Amino acid sequence: DTGVSQNPRHKITKRGQNVTFRCDPISEHNRLYWYRQTLGQGPEFLTYFQNEAQLEKSRLLSDRFSAERPKGSFSTLEIQRTEQGDSAMYLCASSVQANTEAFFGQGTRLTVV
Amino acid sequence: QQQVKQSPQSLIVQKGGISIINCAYENTAFDYFPWYQQFPGKGPALLIAIRPDVSEKKEGRFTISFNKSAKQFSLHIMDSQPGDSATYFCAASREGGGADGLTFGKGTHLIIQP
Repeated sequence: DTGVSQNPRHKITKRGQNVTFRCDPISEHNRLYWYRQTLGQGPEFLTYFQNEAQLEKSRLLSDRFSAERPKGSFSTLEIQRTEQGDSAMYLCASSVQANTEAFFGQGTRLTVV
Repeated sequence: QQQVKQSPQSLIVQKGGISIINCAYENTAFDYFPWYQQFPGKGPALLIAIRPDVSEKKEGRFTISFNKSAKQFSLHIMDSQPGDSATYFCAASREGGGADGLTFGKGTHLIIQP
């Protein structure tokens, strides 16, 4: 296992289209987190899963954002009806348990044109 | 409300010097404080982390100093090298399920001049 894997690395989409990103966490990491990072800022927490349960989603930026983690393995983050303001780096992280070392993937860079 | 304040925003240090980055937090429930290093186009990489039961932690050239009463913590990079040039983020999280994930500072852009 080489770490947290995110796909695609880059995504360019037209405004109004739906996009989906995938995250494969480190094996046996129960916790999986999604963050958004805009230029010149630190990552901003969006949501997290404990195994397959999504325990916090109130920080998702709007109802256009949704995330899933079927079977407690990989996770997907979907953005519907994309807007230019959604352009950012979307980061996934995983950890063994709460409040412990979290390891990030390389991120997916989204550009909405 | 920014819960973790980081300074300076940018820092230039000569090769071999000491780089110091500071963070202050507001939420006294925070009890885990990691530092991340990020290169352009890459995800953040965990450098070192500390919990409030110790005042200092050292790993190689990296040291975290922690002052619980002042609600401040800092990263010291000894013998700074050009390869250390990157953006550094402090972060904090709390017990109780980590429902907020990590709260990050805004980052420090560090340049090590050869």
